[in-house]
Amino acid sequence: DVKVTQSSRYLVKRTGEKVFLECVQDMDHENMFWYRQDPGLGLRLIYFSYDVKMKEKGDIPEGYSVSREKKERFSLILESASTNQTSMYLCASSHRDSPEDEQFFGPGTRLTVL
Amino acid sequence: AQKITQTQPGMFVQEKEAVTLDCTYDTSDPSYGLFWYKQPSSGEMIFLIYQGSYDQQNATEGRYSLNFQKARKSANLVISASQLGDSAMYFCAMRERNYGQNFVFGPGTRLSVLP
Repeated sequence: DVKVTQSSRYLVKRTGEKVFLECVQDMDHENMFWYRQDPGLGLRLIYFSYDVKMKEKGDIPEGYSVSREKKERFSLILESASTNQTSMYLCASSHRDSPEDEQFFGPGTRLTVL
Repeated sequence: AQKITQTQPGMFVQEKEAVTLDCTYDTSDPSYGLFWYKQPSSGEMIFLIYQGSYDQQNATEGRYSLNFQKARKSANLVISASQLGDSAMYFCAMRERNYGQNFVFGPGTRLSVLP
C-alpha cells in the first residue's frame, strides 16, 4: 500500500519558534511537494523537489525553507514561525515527467502558531 | 491569471442523485493532465480520476466520470448516484508537460449530500 506520511497531524507552536514538518514517502518517487491549504484559496505550492538536494520555489516560498537529503524524505522548515503561517500543510509526491502521474498526498499537518 | 477555475464554492445534492462539479482551465501547453481529488473532513487528499489532453474518450472510474470538453477547456466531474460519504471538498488540478513537476489546483467545491 503506497504511503506518504507526515510527522504530526496537529502542531501548536509559538511565534518565533523554529518549526520542522517532516514528510516521508515509500514509493521511490522523484518529486516531492509542500503545499499550504487555506479556506477559499485551495492548495498553494510552497516548494517542491525533483531530486535529492534539489529544490524549486513554488508560489509562496517566503518564510519557508526545505531540505531533501534523502530521496524518501522532504522537510519543510519555518525558520521563525508567525501567526500568518497558521494553516494546513500538505505533503505530496509523484513520479517525474509524465503528465498522467498523479500526486499522492499525506494526511496533512494542521499547524497553529500562537 | 487563474489557471484552474472552480466557480461553485458550495453545492448540495440529494442522496442517489447525480451531480456535476465544474472545472475550467487555462493552458497553452498541448500536453497536460487533469485530475480530480476529494478531500473529506479528515483532511487527506484522495485521487479520483485522471484525463489526459490527448485522450479521445472521457475518463470513468466507478461512479465518477469526467466530462472533458477540450475546445471549451473544461473538465467537469460527474458523480452518479451520490452517497452521504461523497460529502467533501473536491479539487480540480492540472499538470502541464512544459511545467514538469508542478501541479496547479483550483480553489475547490464543497459538496454536501443530503439524506
